Amino acid sequence: QQQVKQSPQSLIVQKGGIPIINCAYENTAFDYFPWYQQFPGKGPALLIAIRPDVSEKKEGRFTISFNKSAKQFSLHIMDSQPGDSATYFCAATHFGNEKLTFGTGTRLTIIP
Amino acid sequence: NAGVTQTPKFRILKIGQSMTLQCTQDMNHNYMYWYRQDPGMGLKLIYYSVGAGITDKGEVPNGYNVSRSTTEDFPLRLELAAPSQTSVYFCASSSSGSYNEQFFGPGTRLTVL
Repeated sequence: QQQVKQSPQSLIVQKGGIPIINCAYENTAFDYFPWYQQFPGKGPALLIAIRPDVSEKKEGRFTISFNKSAKQFSLHIMDSQPGDSATYFCAATHFGNEKLTFGTGTRLTIIP
Repeated sequence: NAGVTQTPKFRILKIGQSMTLQCTQDMNHNYMYWYRQDPGMGLKLIYYSVGAGITDKGEVPNGYNVSRSTTEDFPLRLELAAPSQTSVYFCASSSSGSYNEQFFGPGTRLTVL
């Protein structure tokens, strides 16, 4: 019940395209869904996060879409650039939980 | 403000050897975490701490030990290293659990041969 399933495992998109990474969860207690971005040789860093009281959140070219009834959320990257090439992790937690449950990661490559 | 620092960056161990991975944060965060990252497997929580003197097991604690004597430091001890412990280890900290951002260190790449 604590699992967060992430797909695809890897993704190659042409520059300017819109990569979409999907995550699904089972624990209905989850109420906070962050995305972390990790560049090669670096630690992950928080990119954007959403609470389930909204269906969408945008920060620059990054958008999270959230579907509470389906227990799914996804990351969209508009006008993708080669500099967006990284591994992306979705995660989930709930109030009072000291830990994050991470998805397995998506390695994104943006080709020029 | 260095954030979260980890040493060493790389290490090769022989089977059965022991070592300590160091982690220090200068943000006065109460919460600290140790993760391991295996290819295609995401981040697995090994141990975490919600304050000095308090530690708890995560998802994959076997073969590891931790201590938290100060707010700043959270070392991870590997006893009797095994090839299955070959991985990249990340330390992270946050001001509190739940909704707060976790700040990650640069990682330690460990190989056990």
